[in-house]
Amino acid sequence: GENVEQHPSTLSVQEGDSAVIKCTYSDSASNYFPWYKQELGKRPQLIIDIRSNVGEKKDQRIAVTLNKTAKHFSLHITETQPEDSAVYFCAASSPYNQGGKLIFGQGTELSVKP
Amino acid sequence: DAGVIQSPRHEVTEMGQEVTLRCKPISGHDYLFWYRQTMMRGLELLIYFNNNVPIDDSGMPEDRFSAKMPNASFSTLKIQPSEPRDSAVYFCASSLGDRNQPQHFGDGTRLSIL
Repeated sequence: GENVEQHPSTLSVQEGDSAVIKCTYSDSASNYFPWYKQELGKRPQLIIDIRSNVGEKKDQRIAVTLNKTAKHFSLHITETQPEDSAVYFCAASSPYNQGGKLIFGQGTELSVKP
Repeated sequence: DAGVIQSPRHEVTEMGQEVTLRCKPISGHDYLFWYRQTMMRGLELLIYFNNNVPIDDSGMPEDRFSAKMPNASFSTLKIQPSEPRDSAVYFCASSLGDRNQPQHFGDGTRLSIL
C-alpha cells in the first residue's frame, strides 16, 4: 500500500530564516497532497494543499512543490516567525479504491527561535 | 460552519471501564475518520466510514475497540474494557467527496486510563 516518508523529524531555525520539510510517497496513483500544522495540544489544521496537475502553489509565506516523477513534495516556509513553531504533517491520497483515505507522514517538529 | 465536534474533550477513567467517544462531522460530509495520536506511534487511522458504512477498520487495534455511525451526523468509538495503553488523543475528522479533498479535524478527546 501507499507509504509516506517525511524528513526531517525535527527542525530548528532562527526567526527570519526559511524552513523546508520534505516528503516522499510510494504510489504513483496518489494525486492529492495536503499539509497540516498541529500546535501543541490542538488539532491538525490544513495549511495548504496541492493536486497533481500543479507543480507549485503559494500562499503568502508558505509554498508547496510537487515532483510527480520523483514522487516527492516539499513544504517551504519563508521568513519564519515564532508562531510557526508546531508539528507539520504531510499526507498523500490513497489509491482510488480506498476513497477519501489519506496516508500521513510521521511529522516534523519545527522550532523557530527568536 | 461549526466544524467537527467531539465530546468529551477530556476523559479520565480506570482500567476495565467502558469508554465512549463521540463525533459529529461537518454537515454534508460523507466521509468520517477516527484517528489515534500518541508520541510513540504518531497519527494512526483506526477506521473510516463512507455514507455511514465502515469501509476500512484494519487500523482498529483489537476487539476491545468498536465504532459505529448510526446516521450521517453522529459516530461513536467505544473501548471496552479500557487499558492504560489506550491512553492517547483520539481525533475524528470528516471530508466531502471522493479523493482529492482535505480532512477537517475535531479538537480531539484526550483519554487517560489509570
